[in-house]
Amino acid sequence: DAGVIQSPRHEVTEMGQEVTLRCKPISGHDYLFWYRQTMMRGLELLIYFNNNVPIDDSGMPEDRFSAKMPNASFSTLKIQPSEPRDSAVYFCASSPGRGGSYEQYFGPGTRLTVT
Amino acid sequence: DQQVKQNSPSLSVQEGRISILNCDYTNSMFDYFLWYKKYPAEGPTFLISISSIKDKNEDGRFTVFLNKSAKHLSLHIVPSQPGDSAVYFCAATGSNSGYALNFGKGTSLLVTP
Repeated sequence: DAGVIQSPRHEVTEMGQEVTLRCKPISGHDYLFWYRQTMMRGLELLIYFNNNVPIDDSGMPEDRFSAKMPNASFSTLKIQPSEPRDSAVYFCASSPGRGGSYEQYFGPGTRLTVT
Repeated sequence: DQQVKQNSPSLSVQEGRISILNCDYTNSMFDYFLWYKKYPAEGPTFLISISSIKDKNEDGRFTVFLNKSAKHLSLHIVPSQPGDSAVYFCAATGSNSGYALNFGKGTSLLVTP
C-alpha cells in the first residue's frame, strides 16, 4: 500500500491567495483527519470525516478554512483567503476505525508558507 | 485547553541507556493511549498503544506504562539507539471522542553515541 498521499509537499503563496491541499487516504480506511502542526500549538485536529461525512469541524480556526471529502479516496482542505498566520505543516491521516483500532496513519504533510 | 501534556520538550540520553518519556492527561474519559514517533519532514508514525484495561504493553525495545489513578503514562525505550532520535508524541482518545486523537506537543529525544 502506498500509504496516505498528500500534495503538494510544499506550498508558498502570497497573502490573500487561495490554497488547496489534497489528500488520498489509505484504501479501505473509513476515517480521514486533517491536522495542523505549529511550534506554538503542536498538532491540532482541524476536522475529521467518517465515510466521507464531516463529523467534527470544531477545530477549524475560521470560516476561511473549509474541507471536503467528495469520495472515499480524496479530500481537500482549502484556505481562502490565506494569511501569514496560516503558515504551518498540514497533515492528513486515515484510520480503519474498526475493531477498536484507533491507530491513525499519517501522510508526509504539506508545508505551507504564506508571505 | 491541552488535555494531553508532555512537560519535557526535550531529552538527551546516551546510546544503550534507557529513555523514559512522560505524558499526563486530564480527561478521565480517555481510555486508549498511543505513542507516535516523528522524524523531520515526515508524518508521525504509530509506535505503540495501550488500552486502559492494561497497565503495561511491550513491543520489542518499547514499553508503555499506564497509571490511571495518576492519569500518567510513560514510554520506555531500552536500549536506546541513535536511530531513536526523533520527536515522540503522546496521544489519547476515548469512546466518546469518536476516533479523534488528542495529541501532546511532543518530546524531542536525542540519543548520543
